[in-house]
Amino acid sequence: AQKITQTQPGMFVQEKEAVTLDCTYDTSDPSYGLFWYKQPSSGEMIFLIYQGSYDQQNATEGRYSLNFQKARKSANLVISASQLGDSAMYFCAMREQYNFNKFYFGSGTKLNVKP
Amino acid sequence: DVKVTQSSRYLVKRTGEKVFLECVQDMDHENMFWYRQDPGLGLRLIYFSYDVKMKEKGDIPEGYSVSREKKERFSLILESASTNQTSMYLCASSLRQGRNTEAFFGQGTRLTVV
Repeated sequence: AQKITQTQPGMFVQEKEAVTLDCTYDTSDPSYGLFWYKQPSSGEMIFLIYQGSYDQQNATEGRYSLNFQKARKSANLVISASQLGDSAMYFCAMREQYNFNKFYFGSGTKLNVKP
Repeated sequence: DVKVTQSSRYLVKRTGEKVFLECVQDMDHENMFWYRQDPGLGLRLIYFSYDVKMKEKGDIPEGYSVSREKKERFSLILESASTNQTSMYLCASSLRQGRNTEAFFGQGTRLTVV
């Protein structure tokens, strides 16, 4: 079974609008972490935001927030006030504590921000 | 500045060659990973190491092997390169314990097998 599922291969958003990128995950480990990474066309992987399975509040980092719904096993990334520089691939990832903190990644979502 | 360094940015190899991809990290991380990135498939885990000389197969280990003789270095070996191994290869490292233990990535190696 897929550990991480990203169902949106590509998305468009108008500059200055908010956008939500979907991510669902599958684990039986009670202790896990969820991550989002950005990969611009240059290829580097940039860490954006982290959510722990025991965190009570949704994580936020500047314009990024994580909509964590534990019962639904979803961890959607919300980008507010989109900028042209947000155009990139976005990957959702999960780390399971019982599994040596091994990282699993989804297939990614290509976000295009339109001027 | 933390760093994961991959030995080559671009490589072109011939079918049947033995190929070594090297990765070095300077953060004293226990965990190191090799991923393969293909369009539409995301990052797929090839091999994982949680300590020196320790390794675990990931989701797509066939045709690959790894070596971790020192904590800072993790090598991916293509025993006999084939054209279907043409891809982007990403190395990453992370702490094994801890709460917010993100993975740090190298710049990637784009391998073309002809």
